[in-house]
Amino acid sequence: GNSVTQMEGPVTLSEEAFLTINCTYTATGYPSLFWYVQYPGEGLQLLLKATKADDKGSNKGFEATYRKETTSFHLEKGSVQVSDSAVYFCALGNSGGYQKVTFGTGTKLQVIP
Amino acid sequence: ETGVTQTPRHLVMGMTNKKSLKCEQHLGHNAMYWYKQSAKKPLELMFVYNFKEQTENNSVPSRFSPECPNSSHLFLHLHTLQPEDSALYLCASSQDSGGRYGYTFGSGTRLTVV
Repeated sequence: GNSVTQMEGPVTLSEEAFLTINCTYTATGYPSLFWYVQYPGEGLQLLLKATKADDKGSNKGFEATYRKETTSFHLEKGSVQVSDSAVYFCALGNSGGYQKVTFGTGTKLQVIP
Repeated sequence: ETGVTQTPRHLVMGMTNKKSLKCEQHLGHNAMYWYKQSAKKPLELMFVYNFKEQTENNSVPSRFSPECPNSSHLFLHLHTLQPEDSALYLCASSQDSGGRYGYTFGSGTRLTVV
């Protein structure tokens, strides 16, 4: 079955540091890959997505590249801000039928001034 | 505005009470979902509806009763809950079954059972 593995948190960084949150997946076929962000007290928001190999999703300075050869979709940002403090979820979905989205366990990011 | 609206945002209820959570979307999506998010636990998928029909029930206790009167509205009826049911309940919707485009989530209902 489908599964997503992401790095344990919390990740604590100073403002303007470089961020990487690792995500690897197991899936049949050619899944779509997603990163969601959850700010305190809120639901999950779609941050970025990629629907095929070598696609790069990007939004708000965050980027992730769909790497089929390494089954990875690592999230990166060049310079984090305090406002980026949140929980980040990696997820995958297969199109067609009643395929659902499978979520990772989430990685909490804390950015300190 | 996320496109998916959940009410109420916060709910405190006793173990003998009956209450309902409401979810509404006007995105034209045809699938809707209930998730439970507890502290230090992964997201738990509870129910899935496609075109108003329930297509998945992940062994959820009968004290949780979903209702989907149309593709835009989803309810979760609660009765005789336990303290361990305290959690953030998230509603989501998707254009298809979600696999290709992902979900749109609401802000959640923070439920406390006392």
